[in-house]
Amino acid sequence: GAVVSQHPSWVICKSGTSVKIECRSLDFQATTMFWYRQFPKQSLMLMATSNEGSKATYEQGVEKDKFLINHASLTLSTLTVTSAHPEDSSFYICSAKTGPTGYTFGSGTRLTVV
Amino acid sequence: QKEVEQNSGPLSVPEGAIASLNCTYSDRGSQSFFWYRQYSGKSPELIMFIYSNGDKEDGRFTAQLNKASQYVSLLIRDSQPSDSATYLCASNPPAAGNKLTFGGGTRVLVKP
Repeated sequence: GAVVSQHPSWVICKSGTSVKIECRSLDFQATTMFWYRQFPKQSLMLMATSNEGSKATYEQGVEKDKFLINHASLTLSTLTVTSAHPEDSSFYICSAKTGPTGYTFGSGTRLTVV
Repeated sequence: QKEVEQNSGPLSVPEGAIASLNCTYSDRGSQSFFWYRQYSGKSPELIMFIYSNGDKEDGRFTAQLNKASQYVSLLIRDSQPSDSATYLCASNPPAAGNKLTFGGGTRVLVKP
């Protein structure tokens, strides 16, 4: 089946630094990648939709200059959290649509900003 | 009103019993519905997908869709402690394009 590899699985960074999260589609071409954020005991919140070769579409309330998304190829999408602060600490998950009935999720990245 | 609504739980069921989870949605144009299971600290994994009215069974799981009443449910038969997780209902409303809209999730606890 379709696999989305997400790295790193967890990261701790200092406040003010930037962190890059990668999602790779291993055996299919992901034209579209969705990026979610999940706070403890809450559901997934869609942050943005990235399309290969074009600018990402951000959901209302998500700062595009803070959460930089790049989808430069059909197999790689990245999310960079710039100037991270403790309130950005969360579980970040990517997902790709793999067919009419399929949405494959990455394994998630636990970000802790100290 | 949220597009997809679920009871947050926790839904506590004894081992071997049937767990019944419900989900309602507001966009009558929604066609596709998904049930995901999410263990703590892990990403969601697809349990069931349903788009036709009626029941769909896969092993111990049965999804039920009623478009007239705008609800979709998930039954877990012979519940096991390993079924303890949060179950997320999601729809794909037409206005959202390819985006999934998730409910808040129902936490299920299966007690031995």
